[in-house]
Amino acid sequence: EIVLTQSPATLSLSPGERATLSCRASQSVSSYLAWYQQKPGQAPRLLIYDVSNRATGIPARFSGSGSGTDFTLTISSLEPEDFAVYYCQQRTNWPPMYTFGQGTKLEIK
Amino acid sequence: QVQLQESGPGLVKPSGTLSLTCAVSGGSISSTSWWSWVRQPPGKGLEWIGEIYHSGSTNYNPSLKSRVTISVDKSNNQFSLKLSSVTAADTAVYYCARVQAGFFGYWGQGTLVTVSS
Repeated sequence: EIVLTQSPATLSLSPGERATLSCRASQSVSSYLAWYQQKPGQAPRLLIYDVSNRATGIPARFSGSGSGTDFTLTISSLEPEDFAVYYCQQRTNWPPMYTFGQGTKLEIK
Repeated sequence: QVQLQESGPGLVKPSGTLSLTCAVSGGSISSTSWWSWVRQPPGKGLEWIGEIYHSGSTNYNPSLKSRVTISVDKSNNQFSLKLSSVTAADTAVYYCARVQAGFFGYWGQGTLVTVSS
């Protein structure tokens, strides 16, 4: 089973600053790497799929990058509504399995 | 726009069976998508439970496989989850979601299931 480790666990920043969230896999993953945003009491929302593709309606300040075992979600200039928990997720083809990272909480400094 | 809505009992007794249904609207469950269940214990992260295709093919998380059954009801455009022999560790918000090429594009709002006597 591939384990995804996200860092940092908590990131304290101010609106307008740049956020860089990391997701490291225990072994090389395919391009099936996605990022989600979750706010309290809400379901996760897809932000990025296939490493770097923004989902429909996601602002351009969100971008994804990486390959192999190291992936990054970058928020170029934080808006107040961006403070939330972020999860990365990958899929393996065989056996079919989806795993999530443990999450990074982005909080207002 | 696809919408998913979970339903089922919010309280299940220990050793009992948790049963939830996900109604799909705005699209057919017979589309070329897999349909999944994901859960989230209070204050914790996300865990994939399993998925089903409209043909009835399933894949399950190995850690839950012995206790999970996911089924599909094409006539009612819905799919269901059964989790047997539940304990307090199964207390969680349960989400249904549509799988698109390896990611979860659409989610239900989630339903909290508490395991308690």
